[in-house]
Amino acid sequence: ELKVEQNPLFLSMQEGKNYTIYCNYSTTSDRLYWYRQDPGKSLESLFVLLSNGAVKQEGRLMASLDTKARLSTLHITAAVHDLSATYFCAVDIYSGNTPLVFGKGTRLSVIA
Amino acid sequence: DAGVIQSPRHEVTEMGQEVTLRCKPISGHNSLFWYRQTMMRGLELLIYFNNNVPIDDSGMPEDRFSAKMPNASFSTLKIQPSEPRDSAVYFCASSLGWQETQYFGPGTRLLVL
Repeated sequence: ELKVEQNPLFLSMQEGKNYTIYCNYSTTSDRLYWYRQDPGKSLESLFVLLSNGAVKQEGRLMASLDTKARLSTLHITAAVHDLSATYFCAVDIYSGNTPLVFGKGTRLSVIA
Repeated sequence: DAGVIQSPRHEVTEMGQEVTLRCKPISGHNSLFWYRQTMMRGLELLIYFNNNVPIDDSGMPEDRFSAKMPNASFSTLKIQPSEPRDSAVYFCASSLGWQETQYFGPGTRLLVL
C-alpha cells in the first residue's frame, strides 16, 4: 500500500524567510503532483513532476523530485503572506487501479 | 472552460434526510473522483469512475453512501440516510485519465444537524 507522508504538517514562518516542505512516499513512482488549497476553497494544481530530477518553479515556489530517494520538496523563497495555504502532494504509482494518493497536507501560515 | 461544476455549494439538512450532491466534470475528461474532506480525517477518496464505470469504491464509508455516473457529463453522490458525522466538504474532481492531473470542483459544504 502506498503511503505518502508530508512534513511538517503545520508551518508558521515569517515573511521573507525560506523554508522547505517535504513529501516522502513508500513505493516506486516517477510522477508527483503538488496542489494548493486556500482556506475555504478548493484544491488547485501547482506542479506536475514527471521524472527523476524534475524541477518546476513558479514565483516563490520551486518543486523538485528525487525518485531514488522517493522524495519531493516544495521550497518557498522569501515567503509572503499570500502564500498562506495548505499544500498537498499526491503520488501516482502506475499500478493496479490506484489513482493519485494524497498526503495529509502542510498548512502554511506566513506571518509579518 | 467552466471547470468542474458542483451543486449545491452548501447544504444544511437534518439527520435522516437524503442528500444528493451533483457534479459535472470538465468536458472531455474520462475520469471522475469524489472526495470528502474534514479537519479530523483530511482528504479521503470515496470513489472514482473511469469512462463512467466505477473502478474503486473502497473508500465509501458505508452502505448509506452511493454514487452514480449515468453519462460522461454528470455524476451524483447520495447519502441516505444522512448522519451528523457525514458533515464535511465533498469535492468532485475530473481528469483526462485516471492517473493524470485532477481538477477539483469548488466543493459542497454539507452540514447534517
